[in-house]
Amino acid sequence: QQQVKQSPQSLIVQKGGISIINCAYENTAFDYFPWYQQFPGKGPALLIAIRPDVSEKKEGRFTISFNKSAKQFSLHIMDSQPGDSATYFCAASQTGANNLFFGTGTRLTVIP
Amino acid sequence: DTAVSQTPKYLVTQMGNDKSIKCEQNLGHDTMYWYKQDSKKFLKIMFSYNNKELIINETVPNRFSPKSPDKAHLNLHINSLELGDSAVYFCASSQIHSSIGYTFGSGTRLTVV
Repeated sequence: QQQVKQSPQSLIVQKGGISIINCAYENTAFDYFPWYQQFPGKGPALLIAIRPDVSEKKEGRFTISFNKSAKQFSLHIMDSQPGDSATYFCAASQTGANNLFFGTGTRLTVIP
Repeated sequence: DTAVSQTPKYLVTQMGNDKSIKCEQNLGHDTMYWYKQDSKKFLKIMFSYNNKELIINETVPNRFSPKSPDKAHLNLHINSLELGDSAVYFCASSQIHSSIGYTFGSGTRLTVV
């Protein structure tokens, strides 16, 4: 059973555009929602994360929007750059559970 | 100074062989994990160890056996390799009871022929 559902599977965006990736979860006990960025041949690397007590978190060009009632969260990449081309994973976990559930990944391609 | 290092990076082997993947972290974390990433990029946890003790063991064939000699090392041994074991295996580490900041290694691409 997929704990975290992610869409779209792939995304192509023009340089300078906004990239949006969406995730949804069912387990209301989840209290930590990170996004990971993975380049080819590398391991996933933590990009940005949010807890349910806030609805938005911004770090540079990357913003997480969180909707607790809808059990959804999304990653927005503003002014997308070719260097942002990577696979992005949303994830969710419950404090103390020591298990991070990943979404299925979104392959982002930013074309110049 | 690689935080989480895995060896080897690539592993090609024949069906039926036994192989091991090693992982070491220098972050002082007390929890280590093995994740499997399949051809569709899906990441699934296999095992989790805290201070050399197994705390998560997902539905993984018995042919997979993790071993943690100390809290900085978590190795993965695979017996009787099958074609379906071909995947990228990632080691990761974190502090226990903190999902924050999982640090992943760069992966081991296992190909079984």
